[in-house]
Amino acid sequence: DGGITQSPKYLFRKEGQNVTLSCEQNLNHDAMYWYRQDPGQGLRLIYYSQIVNDFQKGDIAEGYSVSREKKESFPLTVTSAQKNPTAFYLCASTLAGAGGTQYFGPGTRLLVL
Amino acid sequence: GNSVTQMEGPVTLSEEAFLTINCTYTATGYPSLFWYVQYPGEGLQLLLKATKADDKGSNKGFEATYRKETTSFHLEKGSVQVSDSAVYFCALYAATGGYQKVTFGTGTKLQVIP
Repeated sequence: DGGITQSPKYLFRKEGQNVTLSCEQNLNHDAMYWYRQDPGQGLRLIYYSQIVNDFQKGDIAEGYSVSREKKESFPLTVTSAQKNPTAFYLCASTLAGAGGTQYFGPGTRLLVL
Repeated sequence: GNSVTQMEGPVTLSEEAFLTINCTYTATGYPSLFWYVQYPGEGLQLLLKATKADDKGSNKGFEATYRKETTSFHLEKGSVQVSDSAVYFCALYAATGGYQKVTFGTGTKLQVIP
């Protein structure tokens, strides 16, 4: 089955630690996105990538970094500079020219120890 | 810039009641409009969409009509079930400066009680 996978489901970060969230898709989609969701709030865009080796900052990119070395993979690193990382992180992808429908992964919940 | 405003929740309804969740938008050009649903602890799923004015999107008994004159895309269902309890997000999609971005509303939590 085609889809988007995110791992791990839960992730714990210690003070001063960088952690990386995985996002993989086998839908052959061109664009990929990372969102942050806080309790009772909507989705805020962290980074997005339209093609391999290219990505753009979203609305809340500070304290995060990404890479897009392969079409199917778009990992997100939460760095120690992100002082309030506790949130639910969602990865999504879209197919170019398909009208903007986004397909979402199941999410990763990041907690700070 | 683009924006989406949807009614605040939570919305609590009895089973078989009529549902309306309001959504209005601000955008330049001709965006596509979406409703997504999120069940607890999961990612979002597309519920329905409309790509041009007067289009009606429908799925699983839910409907929404793209109203350009009122810049609205309200979600409706004639008879809700307990299984419809979730958070509903209104969203718009438009190409901005060559990049394709989706703008989401803040979500409306729906709770249906038996």
